[in-house]
Amino acid sequence: QVQLVESGGGVVQPGGSLRLSCAGSGFSVRGYSLHWLRQAPDKGLEWLAFIRHDGSDKNYADSVKGRFTVSRDDSKNTMSLQLNSLRGDDTAVYYCAKDRDWTYEDWGQGTLVTVSS
Amino acid sequence: QSALTQPPSASGSPGQAVTISCTGTSSDVGGYNYVSWFQQHPGKAPKLMIYEVTKRPSGVPDRFSGSKSGNTASLTVSGLQAEDEADYYCSSYAGRNGWVFGGGTMLTVL
Repeated sequence: QVQLVESGGGVVQPGGSLRLSCAGSGFSVRGYSLHWLRQAPDKGLEWLAFIRHDGSDKNYADSVKGRFTVSRDDSKNTMSLQLNSLRGDDTAVYYCAKDRDWTYEDWGQGTLVTVSS
Repeated sequence: QSALTQPPSASGSPGQAVTISCTGTSSDVGGYNYVSWFQQHPGKAPKLMIYEVTKRPSGVPDRFSGSKSGNTASLTVSGLQAEDEADYYCSSYAGRNGWVFGGGTMLTVL
């Protein structure tokens, strides 16, 4: 059974940093492109970042470009998202998802990031 | 403001059909056949219902169907059931701009 499990969320002060992880379970992330997305409280979904299956290409939403960095470690079956210079509007549930034909096929359960002083 | 435009709400009675629209531009919806639809129940992660405009993942009932004309994609739910009540989001690949979402539509089964 394909599962994705996010971790690393928590409360952080404005301007602070956090590192989120996404672990694959029941499948190998090797060979799959992956995404990060988020959903602010009572708001809609927002795509954040993409990393190609071989790590050769990364793409970011304008809202996080230059602040967030996506990476992957296939040997650990994980993907990560480094969040820097966090702001209040970064408060959200962060999801990782496995790509299928340029969409997000399988999602994790999400991890909550709260930016607050 | 979302890149794709969806109606904030839609409704229908059990057994009826309802269609939700998703309007973008030639840079996203109109430019690629990579439009997807997601169902999200409160407190749950989104679930892929339609991908590549018209395709259904395994396990998704055939009551759910997708289409596209120009810069507007649509999701039709036929034979509405109580469990279809949820938020629905469209998403489209947008080339070097990545991916974009609609603002979401709250579907109510009357």
